[in-house]
Amino acid sequence: GDSVTQMEGPVTLSEEAFLTINCTYTATGYPSLFWYVQYPGEGLQLLLKATKADDKGSNKGFEATYRKETTSFHLEKGSVQVSDSAVYFCALRTLQGAQKLVFGQGTRLTINP
Amino acid sequence: KAGVTQTPRYLIKTRGQQVTLSCSPISGHRSVSWYQQTPGQGLQFLFEYFSETQRNKGNFPGRFSGRQFSNSRSEMNVSTLELGDSALYLCASSLLGSGSDTQYFGPGTRLTVL
Repeated sequence: GDSVTQMEGPVTLSEEAFLTINCTYTATGYPSLFWYVQYPGEGLQLLLKATKADDKGSNKGFEATYRKETTSFHLEKGSVQVSDSAVYFCALRTLQGAQKLVFGQGTRLTINP
Repeated sequence: KAGVTQTPRYLIKTRGQQVTLSCSPISGHRSVSWYQQTPGQGLQFLFEYFSETQRNKGNFPGRFSGRQFSNSRSEMNVSTLELGDSALYLCASSLLGSGSDTQYFGPGTRLTVL
């Protein structure tokens, strides 16, 4: 079945460091790929998405490129801030699955000042 | 435009009881999906409703059920609660429920089963 594997956390970085959170997937067909972020005590917020191969999603300095050949969708940010501390979830959705998102386990990110 | 709202935000129940959670989607959105989030299993899809019909269902026992009303508001019900049902239940809405739609999540209902 469809699945998402995320880099295990927790990840701790200093402010202004470069961030990469790895995400790979297994899916039938050509899924849409997403990164969601969850701040403490809150629900999920869509961070960025990509719907086809080689698409790059970007938002708030975060970027991820849909790589079909490596079935990956790694999240990157050039310079992280304390306010980026949260849990990040990679997810996929297949057309067959309509509104069913399949999530990775989540990566807890802590940024120290 | 108001976001997805869920009520109540927190709930404490005892084993064997039943519970009903409510979700109001973003105005104009017709698809509502439910997810369960636990530390052990992560985020798992429960079901999706569109135009009052269940369109997709995850791998959960029949104790978990839901419905959608004509105004797109949705409720989910869990009967005969078990300790393992303690979780954050998230609702998400999207405009048409198509494959290209974006899902917007509510803040969740934290259910604790004692």
